[in-house]
Amino acid sequence: LAKTTQPISMDSYEGQEVNITCSHNNIATNDYITWYQQFPSQGPRFIIQGYKTKVTNEVASLFIPADRKSSTLSLPRVSLSDTAVYYCLVGGSARQLTFGSGTQLTVLP
Amino acid sequence: DTGVSQNPRHKITKRGQNVTFRCDPISEHNRLYWYRQTLGQGPEFLTYFQNEAQLEKSRLLSDRFSAERPKGSFSTLEIQRTEQGDSAMYLCASTPTGTEAFFGQGTRLTVV
Repeated sequence: LAKTTQPISMDSYEGQEVNITCSHNNIATNDYITWYQQFPSQGPRFIIQGYKTKVTNEVASLFIPADRKSSTLSLPRVSLSDTAVYYCLVGGSARQLTFGSGTQLTVLP
Repeated sequence: DTGVSQNPRHKITKRGQNVTFRCDPISEHNRLYWYRQTLGQGPEFLTYFQNEAQLEKSRLLSDRFSAERPKGSFSTLEIQRTEQGDSAMYLCASTPTGTEAFFGQGTRLTVV
């Protein structure tokens, strides 16, 4: 299983764009990159998934360079309600879902 | 509500007692997962079902833990002879495809 490394914590202010980078040097050819968001006392919630280049949905963008050894989750114009833990996962299927410690994002007013 | 449902939401039990948690996945999701999460840590994989077959178990799942998914629908996770170290949030997730997983809100177990 590919191991991921991401910052333990990040602070941002409301309205700013936040970029959280995850490194996964040992990613396998058939692995996807998936990001989850978790609020206290709730289960993780799927945010976005990608394989290469760029993926965008209504809440975030995911940037993946050509070598796929890292990825960046971009949250545009964050609000206080985006304060949460963000997990980067790498795997070929949910059978291989392995969570690290995640990044605690704190959005300040 | 068609999301993943877990019951109970909270459980307080005395050390040595048995507890059972239930997970109702999203209909027609054939894959179901159990995770355990302690404070400040990410969820840890416990076990995985494809329909009614339990295909994978973590080494974290000691012989005091057992999980079932009869008929490939709801699942139960039982912990026998609970210990204080079992105190955690127990999360259930389901997925139809093996990629995007939908999590329930979890069952918080406190062993006193």
